[in-house]
Amino acid sequence: DSGVTQTPKHLITATGQRVTLRCSPRSGDLSVYWYQQSLDQGLQFLIHYYNGEERAKGNILERFSAQQFPDLHSELNLSSLELGDSALYFCASSVAPGSSSSSGANVLTFGAGSRLTVL
Amino acid sequence: AQSVAQPEDQVNVAEGNPLTVKCTYSVSGNPYLFWYVQYPNRGLQFLLKYITGDNLVKGSYGFEAEFNKSQTSFHLKKPSALVSDSALYFCAVVGYQKVTFGTGTKLQVIP
Repeated sequence: DSGVTQTPKHLITATGQRVTLRCSPRSGDLSVYWYQQSLDQGLQFLIHYYNGEERAKGNILERFSAQQFPDLHSELNLSSLELGDSALYFCASSVAPGSSSSSGANVLTFGAGSRLTVL
Repeated sequence: AQSVAQPEDQVNVAEGNPLTVKCTYSVSGNPYLFWYVQYPNRGLQFLLKYITGDNLVKGSYGFEAEFNKSQTSFHLKKPSALVSDSALYFCAVVGYQKVTFGTGTKLQVIP
């Protein structure tokens, strides 16, 4: 157990639907990252939150949104789902914001992932 | 923009032989480099990191990585491969507020 909890583990839904993926970071970690892993595109960075604030955005579609709550858990909302959204969605947490300063470069702790299947 | 390249989709090596998984990077400023491993149906696990100092970094499970600034490379190595090392390996670079992963290299250790 890495200490990062993701729910649900598996989710099957239909095109056009909306789902919410949840992530609880490791105790003491303030940063949460979301990644999408698909067979053809590898591990794609979606978004990064630090202590409730959005810090960086990657290749996140407009149909997707995320937030980090005061208790530091995070949710990734995926709407108007398409077949191509089927993937593993990983959450990772870390202590610091992951900046390029000497205090950054911290290790990411990953959850086990949420496997989304869109039919 | 920062980027990481893992030129090999798959590496096959016989058990007991040395292994190398290649990684090259591009980033502004000093590089902060990582290796992670992913076993089937699991999240990524940290193996080792380079921040500064010795170019040879030692990590978990007997793995090590060699940082080469002139070649902008950070290759993962192990002197003697085990069947249990078979997994997907990701190289990553940390830049400003962002961690970028390579596409991954599948390591297959053959008994």
